[in-house]
Amino acid sequence: NAGVTQTPKFRVLKTGQSMTLLCAQDMNHEYMYWYRQDPGMGLRLIHYSVGEGTTAKGEVPDGYNVSRLKKQNFLLGLESAAPSQTSVYFCASGDPGEPQHFGDGTRLSIL
Amino acid sequence: AQSVTQLGSHVSVSEGALVLLRCNYSSSVPPYLFWYVQYPNQGLQLLLKYTSAATLVKGINGFEAEFKKSETSFHLTKPSAHMSDAAEYFCANPWNAGGTSYGKLTFGQGTILTVHP
Repeated sequence: NAGVTQTPKFRVLKTGQSMTLLCAQDMNHEYMYWYRQDPGMGLRLIHYSVGEGTTAKGEVPDGYNVSRLKKQNFLLGLESAAPSQTSVYFCASGDPGEPQHFGDGTRLSIL
Repeated sequence: AQSVTQLGSHVSVSEGALVLLRCNYSSSVPPYLFWYVQYPNQGLQLLLKYTSAATLVKGINGFEAEFKKSETSFHLTKPSAHMSDAAEYFCANPWNAGGTSYGKLTFGQGTILTVHP
């Protein structure tokens, strides 16, 4: 059971570089989410998707873009990375009314 | 959005002692509430969920939580702590934006549980 898989697991970027984080789920869930986790702040929702081809802003969307071209994949992009985006990023998926399933996270450092 | 507040960013107990992790929610309607656990360098794993069916909810690894509407609380307990319970615990409940939450969750700040031998 793969569940939710995130790649890469670790990455170091320089300020201004771009990158894409990939999330894949094999549970046929409609909804997918991207969170960031920072010490003492819990998890905060960046963007989410309620189905293939749809995306919407969450609590902290600035500086990020997302795409959901296929139901099983949800991509998070950083166009011009900033040190404030150093964080641990989690992808999750789920169905309405059910708890979300989380990946193991991507640890991103921006120098 | 609804909100949840976890009292105590760190809780330390001895092995075999009672574990009590506090969560209070802000809501005018009976909510869904979840407790998640996060072990080091891992994602979040669901411990238990409250969906209005029963006020006392039993979860995995011997944890349980009681929904108390009068106190707007959903505290997590375990009668006897084990070393393997050391982790960070998050309380969460769904957003409620115009009646459609799309499953979005609001998380508490997290409580780190330390278990001493």
